[in-house]
Amino acid sequence: GDSVTQMEGPVTLSEEAFLTINCTYTATGYPSLFWYVQYPGEGLQLLLKATKADDKGSNKGFEATYRKETTSFHLEKGSVQVSDSAVYFCALSDQRNGNQFYFGTGTSLTVIP
Amino acid sequence: DAGITQSPRHKVTETGTPVTLRCHQTENHRYMYWYRQDPGHGLRLIHYSYGVKDTDKGEVSDGYSVSRSKTEDFLLTLESATSSQTSVYFCAISETTGFGELFFGEGSRLTVL
Repeated sequence: GDSVTQMEGPVTLSEEAFLTINCTYTATGYPSLFWYVQYPGEGLQLLLKATKADDKGSNKGFEATYRKETTSFHLEKGSVQVSDSAVYFCALSDQRNGNQFYFGTGTSLTVIP
Repeated sequence: DAGITQSPRHKVTETGTPVTLRCHQTENHRYMYWYRQDPGHGLRLIHYSYGVKDTDKGEVSDGYSVSRSKTEDFLLTLESATSSQTSVYFCAISETTGFGELFFGEGSRLTVL
């Protein structure tokens, strides 16, 4: 079945450091891929998405490229800020599987000044 | 922000009692979902709805039932709450599936003693 695996946290970085959060997926069809972010005490909100191979999603300085050959969708940011501290979830949605969303376990990021 | 309201936001109950969580949307989106969030598991789908009175099970549906009598309301019921159902519950909505975005409510924290 469909699934998402993302690197475990927690991750602690200093401000302005480079961020990578790894995400790989398993899907029977051609999924759309997403990164969601959850700030403390809030629900999840969409950070970026990509709907086909080689697409790059980007938002707020974050980027992720849909790599079909490595079944990956790694999240990157060149210079993190304290305000980026949150939990990040990789997810997929596959039309061949009833369009359900499958989420990874989440990676907690803390950015220290 | 998408108009999604969950109630109650916090509830403490005892084992064996019935509990109903309500999700109300003002976006007129077709699809509605209930997820639970637990440490180490990320988000797991409980039930979802693809229209009024049309619902289906997710991966962790045992012990839960849902109803959707109106487009705007999606109810999650625990007929007899157990301690294993202590969790944070999120409602989500989407206008389309697959390529579409999930919009989340702020969550309902349920503690079963």
